Amino acid sequence: EIVLTQAPATLSLSPGERATLSCRASQSISSYLAWYQQKPGQAPRLLIYDASDRATGIPARFSGSGSGTDFTLTISSLEPEDFAVYYCQQRSDWPTFGGGTKVEIK
Amino acid sequence: VQLVESGGGLVKPGGSLRLSCAVSGLTLSDTYMTWIRQAPGKGLEWVSYTSNSSSTGYTTYVESVKGRFTVSRDIAKNSLFLQMNSLRAEDTAVYYCARATGSGPFGHSDYWGQGTLVTVSS
Repeated sequence: EIVLTQAPATLSLSPGERATLSCRASQSISSYLAWYQQKPGQAPRLLIYDASDRATGIPARFSGSGSGTDFTLTISSLEPEDFAVYYCQQRSDWPTFGGGTKVEIK
Repeated sequence: VQLVESGGGLVKPGGSLRLSCAVSGLTLSDTYMTWIRQAPGKGLEWVSYTSNSSSTGYTTYVESVKGRFTVSRDIAKNSLFLQMNSLRAEDTAVYYCARATGSGPFGHSDYWGQGTLVTVSS
């Protein structure tokens, strides 16, 4: 099983600040990585797929980068609606998710 | 596109439950589908992955549910089902159906249902 480790577990930031979330895979997954946003009581929402492609309707402030084992999700300037939990997911092998990063208001 | 799950509820350990996922805006026979679950306050776990091949699709399962869970499809009703038998406390979760898409292996999920809660408890 490919293990995804997300860091940090919690990120405390203010609106307007830049958020940088990390996802590290236990083995190379090429670019088969997606990022999701989840708010309480809601299903996850796809943000980024294949490491760096934005999903339909996702604002340009969300960007993804990386390949192999190290990946980053960047939110260039946090909006109030961006405070949520973010998960990465790999599909190189049986799909697995990282443990999540909670982005909270400082 | 809309995915609507139903069928969740409270069941005793060892019991069974059948979840449904009604799909609209997509043609199930052309679509790869997945069931994903999330235990209360926990992360996400892929449970099954169903291809669009043949009338029944071909399904693979996460190791922890193999032999207990079975996915089926009703193409005429454009619906996906998850039959869960021999349920355990650790199966307690919100179950989502979602489309799996993307070239290459498995997929990422761009359309999700709202989820249905399954609670396994005596």
